[in-house]
Amino acid sequence: DAGITQSPRHKVTETGTPVTLRCHQTENHRYMYWYRQDPGHGLRLIHYSYGVKDTDKGEVSDGYSVSRSKTEDFLLTLESATSSQTSVYFCAISDRAHTDTQYFGPGTRLTVL
Amino acid sequence: QKEVEQDPGPLSVPEGAIVSLNCTYSNSAFQYFMWYRQYSRKGPELLMYTYSSGNKEDGRFTAQVDKSSKYISLFIRDSQPSDSATYLCAMSNQAGTALIFGKGTTLSVSS
Repeated sequence: DAGITQSPRHKVTETGTPVTLRCHQTENHRYMYWYRQDPGHGLRLIHYSYGVKDTDKGEVSDGYSVSRSKTEDFLLTLESATSSQTSVYFCAISDRAHTDTQYFGPGTRLTVL
Repeated sequence: QKEVEQDPGPLSVPEGAIVSLNCTYSNSAFQYFMWYRQYSRKGPELLMYTYSSGNKEDGRFTAQVDKSSKYISLFIRDSQPSDSATYLCAMSNQAGTALIFGKGTTLSVSS
C-alpha cells in the first residue's frame, strides 16, 4: 500500500462521541486526502491537504475536521459521531496535485451505533 | 445528473472473456482519466492513467477515452479469476481541483 498506514483499522463507537482516524505515510508526498466510501455513492472526498497546516474541504466535509502538523501524518476527526458517518474511510497520498496518481491506504471501517 | 456515471453491475463473465467497463461524464473540462481496481476490503490501486483522448495499452488492459462523446472505457482481454474486483473510473480537470470517482463496477470472472 505504498507506505501508507491507517489506524485504527476497525472501530465501533457510539453516537455523540469524538473519533480520530490517523493516516501515516512514509513516502514524503505533499498531498494527502481523506475519502469515505459508501454503497451507492462510491468514493467521495472529505478533506485534503496540500502541505503542513494547509488543508481544504472536499465534497462531503460537514461534520469532519482535519489536521496536518507533520508531512507524514494526516488526522481526520469526527467531533461528534453520527450514524450517517458509518462508512469505510480511506486515506490517499499523491506527490503533486489531485491529477497525480493517488495511492490509497488499506482503509478504516467505522461503525457508529 | 451526476458528473460521472458508472454502471455498478455486477458483471459476471467466464474466464478468457473480453470485458468492457465504461463510464460517462458530463464535465467537458475533464482531461485526466484513470481506472482504479479495488479488491474486496482493500484500498483502490491505480490500473490505468490517460491524459486527454486516445488509447493506452498495458498488457491485457486497454483504456480508451472519447472526449467527443464524454465516454471512457476499460477493456480487459483474456480475463482471469484474479481480475474479479470492483473497477472505479476517476477523472479530473486541468486545474486538478479534485478527483471525481464513479461508483464502481463489480466484476466477477469464473473459472
